[in-house]
Amino acid sequence: SQKIEQNSEALNIQEGKTATLTCNYTNYSPAYLQWYRQDPGRGPVFLLLIRENEKEKRKERLKVTFDTTLKQSLFHITASQPADSATYLCALGGPSSNTGKLIFGQGTTLQVKP
Amino acid sequence: DAGVIQSPRHEVTEMGQEVTLRCKPISGHDYLFWYRQTMMRGLELLIYFNNNVPIDDSGMPEDRFSAKMPNASFSTLKIQPSEPRDSAVYFCASRPSGRGEKLFFGSGTQLSVL
Repeated sequence: SQKIEQNSEALNIQEGKTATLTCNYTNYSPAYLQWYRQDPGRGPVFLLLIRENEKEKRKERLKVTFDTTLKQSLFHITASQPADSATYLCALGGPSSNTGKLIFGQGTTLQVKP
Repeated sequence: DAGVIQSPRHEVTEMGQEVTLRCKPISGHDYLFWYRQTMMRGLELLIYFNNNVPIDDSGMPEDRFSAKMPNASFSTLKIQPSEPRDSAVYFCASRPSGRGEKLFFGSGTQLSVL
């Protein structure tokens, strides 16, 4: 069955460092992958989209990579700040036969300490 | 635009009662999604609609759950009869047409079934 795995343990890092979050998947061929941020008591908020034919995307301090051979995406936050503390969710879109579908991983909680 | 609007914000009910959750998507969005979030299972896709038509309901747990979208500006998720294991946060999300378009989430309905 389809499976998306994100680091279940919280990631604790020091302010100013780069945070790297991992998203692995099996039994799936996504047409695209998205990353969302979720704060306590709120709905997820979209951050970045990367498509199956793209290797890397950047937006300000955020960078996403997508390796369809390894079936893995990495999400980086450079120069991290305490305000970056939240849960980050990866979501797989597709496959091509069902491109509207979007399924989420369980998320990784990031804690940035000052 | 006010964003995706969900009601009620909180619902507490007793086992066996019928529960109806409501969602108003963003105007002009062609896709509407219902998700359920728990600590154990994360954010699960229950069903999604395209142009008011259900496209994929494979995530609906069982016959006790039903979802409708009578028009482009309104959707309901009904649970009848409710059970304690249905306790979760239920999110509605919408997005415009186009491959890879981001989801806009509502604030969610916190459901507690006693």
